Amino acid sequence: DGGITQSPKYLFRKEGQNVTLSCEQNLNHDAMYWYRQDPGQGLRLIYYSQIVNDFQKGDIAEGYSVSREKKESFPLTVTSAQKNPTAFYLCASSMRQHQADTQYFGPGTRLTVL
Amino acid sequence: RKEVEQDPGPFNVPEGATVAFNCTYSNSASQSFFWYRQDCRKEPKLLMSVYSSGNEDGRFTAQLNRASQYISLLIRDSKLSDSATYLCVVNLETDRGSTLGRLYFGRGTQLTVWP
Repeated sequence: DGGITQSPKYLFRKEGQNVTLSCEQNLNHDAMYWYRQDPGQGLRLIYYSQIVNDFQKGDIAEGYSVSREKKESFPLTVTSAQKNPTAFYLCASSMRQHQADTQYFGPGTRLTVL
Repeated sequence: RKEVEQDPGPFNVPEGATVAFNCTYSNSASQSFFWYRQDCRKEPKLLMSVYSSGNEDGRFTAQLNRASQYISLLIRDSKLSDSATYLCVVNLETDRGSTLGRLYFGRGTQLTVWP
């Protein structure tokens, strides 16, 4: 079955630690995205990638980093510089970064900073 | 100013009721429009795209008014399984005249259907 997988589902981190969230898709999509969702708020875009070896900052990129070395994979690192990292992180992909293309989401990772 | 504004609700309706959600967007250059559904602690899933002429999918009807920059979703004959948060989503071009887009999400409208 084609889809998007994210791991782990739940993640706990101590303050001051970096942590990497995994996102893999086998839909052969070119474009991939990372969003953050906080309670009572809409999804906010962290980073996006239109194609391999290219990515762009979204609205809240500070304290995060990404890489896109393979088409299928778009890992997100939450660094210690991110002041309030506890949130629900969602990865998405679309065929292209075209306006009409539907984005499909992975199941998400809940990150809690202790 | 937020790109997409939604009434967060909650809407609490009995089974069989008709319920409507509204959404406004601020940028007239917005090109594509969607409604996503998000169940509690799950990922958003596409419910339907919204076309200029309006479109229907079973019990769900979506309308777009470009002049007023307004999107709506109507659910008829509500079912218990319709209980979820409904996200209004707008795809806006990244640069003027570009075909590249990115999504902007409303906060979501929470719906609870009770028996």
